[in-house]
Amino acid sequence: KAGVTQTPRYLIKTRGQQVTLSCSPISGHRSVSWYQQTPGQGLQFLFEYFSETQRNKGNFPGRFSGRQFSNSRSEMNVSTLELGDSALYLCASSSGWPNEKLFFGSGTQLSVL
Amino acid sequence: AQSVTQPDIHITVSEGASLELRCNYSYGATPYLFWYVQSPGQGLQLLLKYFSGDTLVQGIKGFEAEFKRSQSSFNLRKPSVHWSDAAEYFCAVGKAAGNKLTFGGGTRVLVKP
Repeated sequence: KAGVTQTPRYLIKTRGQQVTLSCSPISGHRSVSWYQQTPGQGLQFLFEYFSETQRNKGNFPGRFSGRQFSNSRSEMNVSTLELGDSALYLCASSSGWPNEKLFFGSGTQLSVL
Repeated sequence: AQSVTQPDIHITVSEGASLELRCNYSYGATPYLFWYVQSPGQGLQLLLKYFSGDTLVQGIKGFEAEFKRSQSSFNLRKPSVHWSDAAEYFCAVGKAAGNKLTFGGGTRVLVKP
C-alpha cells in the first residue's frame, strides 16, 4: 500500500509569490491534515479536511488555505508569501475517525527568499 | 487551550542504556495522547497512543509510555536504546473530535556508541 505522497519535495519561492502544495493520502483514507514545522515554532496544525469539508482549522492567517478533492487528494495554498513562511509542510492522512492513527508524508520543504 | 511541554530539548544516551523522555500536557478534558518519532528528512511515525484504559501503553520499536493523570504527564521510555533510535521525538495531545493535534517542542535524542 503506497504511503502519503507530497509533491514537490522542495520548493523555492520569493516574497509575494503564491505556492500550491499537493498531498495524496493513503488509498481509502478520507481525512487529510496539514502541519507547518519550523525550528522556532515547532509543529503547528494548519487545517484538516474530511470528505471535502474543512473539519478543523488552526490559527493561521487567511493567506493559508486548502481544499480536498473527491478522490481525497488535498492541496494547500499560501498566497503573498512572507519570509516567515519558510518551513517544512507536512501532510497526514487517516481513516477519518477522531484521533485515529495519522500517517505522515515526508513533507514539502518551502524556502521563501 | 491545550498545550504540551517537553522539558528536554536534547538528550544524549549511550547505546544499550535506558531512555526516558518527559512530556507534560495541559488539557481540560480526558486527553488523547500520542508519541511520534521523526528521523532526519522524514515525516512523523506514530510510536504509541493513549485514549483510556491501562495507563501503561506499549508501542512499536520497544517503546512504552505511562499516563499519570495526577501529574499531567505521559513519559516515554525504552529499556535499552539502539543507535537507530537517534531521532527527534514529539509528544502530542488531541481533541475529542477530528485530528487536530497539539505538539510539544520535541526532544532530540543522540545515541553514543
